[in-house]
Amino acid sequence: DIQVTQSPSSVSASVGDRVTITCRTSQAISNWLAWYQQKPGTAPKLLIYAASSLRSGVPSRFSGSGSGTDFTLTISSLQPEDFATYYCQQANSFPSTFGGGTKVEIK
Amino acid sequence: EVQLVESGGGLVKPGESLRLSCAASGFTFSSYTMSWVRQAPGKGLEWVSSISSSSSSIYYADSVKGRFTVSRDNAKNSLFLQMNSLRAEDTAVYYCATACSGGRCFYYWGQGTLVTVSS
Repeated sequence: DIQVTQSPSSVSASVGDRVTITCRTSQAISNWLAWYQQKPGTAPKLLIYAASSLRSGVPSRFSGSGSGTDFTLTISSLQPEDFATYYCQQANSFPSTFGGGTKVEIK
Repeated sequence: EVQLVESGGGLVKPGESLRLSCAASGFTFSSYTMSWVRQAPGKGLEWVSSISSSSSSIYYADSVKGRFTVSRDNAKNSLFLQMNSLRAEDTAVYYCATACSGGRCFYYWGQGTLVTVSS
């Protein structure tokens, strides 16, 4: 099975800050990586698929990069509605696996 | 508008069974792989099972293999998860989700249904 290691587990940031979250997979997965945002009490929402493709309707301040085993989600200028937990997911093969999550908190 | 509505959750005792349903609308259900993903209280996301559009390919997480069975009824735009021999560690919110086009990510999600396994 492919393991997914996500870091950091939490980050405190202010509105306007640039935030970077990383995921590392135990095997190369080309660009088969997705990023999700989850707010308390709600279902996760897909933000980015294929490592860097922005889902329609997602603000352009979100971007993804990487391939192989190392991936990054960047929020270029944090907005109040971005405080949430973010998960990466390897979409290369079953069993599908998620990172442990990164909680983005208000500083 | 795509809608996925899960139902069937509830409180059961260890060893009992439960059947979850997911009613889909707003898209061509029969064309998409569908999945179940769960989230234990206060924990992260865990993929549970996926079923291809024609039910020809089915996958399970090791943690549920042999106990859970996924199925679908394309005529009724419905996805199911039969859960047998439930354990305390199966306690979670269960989400159904559509696959991304051409990939194994999860594009649309339902609101989830809570399953609690406790004596």
